[in-house]
Amino acid sequence: GAVVSQHPSRVICKSGTSVKIECRSLDFQATTMFWYRQFPKQSLMLMATSNEGSKATYEQGVEKDKFLINHASLTLSTLTVTSAHPEDSSFYICSAEEPGAGETQYFGPGTRLLVL
Amino acid sequence: AQSVTQLDSHVSVSEGTPVLLRCNYSSSYSPSLFWYVQHPNKGLQLLLKYTSAATLVKGINGFEAEFKKSETSFHLTKPSAHMSDAAEYFCVVVRNFNKFYFGSGTKLNVKP
Repeated sequence: GAVVSQHPSRVICKSGTSVKIECRSLDFQATTMFWYRQFPKQSLMLMATSNEGSKATYEQGVEKDKFLINHASLTLSTLTVTSAHPEDSSFYICSAEEPGAGETQYFGPGTRLLVL
Repeated sequence: AQSVTQLDSHVSVSEGTPVLLRCNYSSSYSPSLFWYVQHPNKGLQLLLKYTSAATLVKGINGFEAEFKKSETSFHLTKPSAHMSDAAEYFCVVVRNFNKFYFGSGTKLNVKP
């Protein structure tokens, strides 16, 4: 199947700093990517839909100024957690929709963020 | 409103016995439904998907699921569990064209 990578796999930062997470589709072009957040022992919650060449669409309750999304190319989407605080600590997972694959999303391995 | 419900947070079976992981959905139409598996420290892997074709869907690693509209269910089964099946399993319903909504997950434990 299609491969999606994320970088970094884990990051520790101080409160107040910004952290950028990259999501790449390695062997296909993805006009649409998605960002999820997974709290410990909980399920994945959709945060936003990232569209190449246009603004991301955010789910209700997700602060767009806090979680900046840029879909710069057909193989790269970035999520920037701005002015991170300890409550932003979580597991962030991206996915990419492969064109013609019938709504199937391929998931990255996730990025664990710890804000001290 | 809850779109997808996984009835069991934990399921434990012995190796070689059948597996049943339950999933119920709520939708006013026939949705697309997926099962994904998440092994520790690994990304989510697609097991199988239902997209309004055959109601019995076969997936990888011997898993299959049956879409039952009358019961609004999409339970995941496997005839014989293997130790490598131990993982967390997520049922997913697709809404609003391409948005995934995950169930709460079921952790499968396989005893030797």
